[in-house]
Amino acid sequence: AAGVIQSPRHLIKEKRETATLKCYPIPRHDTVYWYQQGPGQDPQFLISFYEKMQSDKGSIPDRFSAQQFSDYHSELNMSSLELGDSALYFCASSLGGATGAFFGQGTRLTVV
Amino acid sequence: AQKVTQAQTEISVVEKEDVTLDCVYETRDTTYYLFWYKQPPSGELVFLIRRNSFDEQNEISGRYSWNFQKSTSSFNFTITASQVVDSAVYFCALEEETSGSRLTFGEGTQLTVNP
Repeated sequence: AAGVIQSPRHLIKEKRETATLKCYPIPRHDTVYWYQQGPGQDPQFLISFYEKMQSDKGSIPDRFSAQQFSDYHSELNMSSLELGDSALYFCASSLGGATGAFFGQGTRLTVV
Repeated sequence: AQKVTQAQTEISVVEKEDVTLDCVYETRDTTYYLFWYKQPPSGELVFLIRRNSFDEQNEISGRYSWNFQKSTSSFNFTITASQVVDSAVYFCALEEETSGSRLTFGEGTQLTVNP
């Protein structure tokens, strides 16, 4: 069965650079979620989109923005990267905002 | 306030032992969902189970079993006859009806199963 696809899997950026993370949800899923997991921490909710509209917002820095496109894929844009942004970024998707979101394999971002 | 508490930071067992991972949650919602995820060293989050607040029936799936008790706000996870491949971080998570579909995770329990 198709799963949530995230790209890239690994990304290394320098401080103050910009990064774009992509997420392709499970086919027919219309809701996408982004989570950030710092080293040794639990995942923290960043933002979600339902039918291309932002549906919920968590602890997402102002330097980050995200959107969901007409084909339901989503992108997380991160600017002015800081060392503390180094983390595992997960995307998850669900159908109609239903519970039980399925997670992608994550993008490991390292800021040096 | 921490809504999901996993008091056990690390657990170490020997293969074939049974192990229980504790999860205590806090919510004012009457409708909510509880989850367990497994995060192996490779990093992905693997969905294990979802339980809604109206279903207190315990569930068994192979060597895994879950005990949901609303009276104590607990959703504990037991692995029977543990195996080395069970070594991972396990997260309990809560989704509240009033908070949309976002998940609030506990801090995780690192389980190490030694041969």
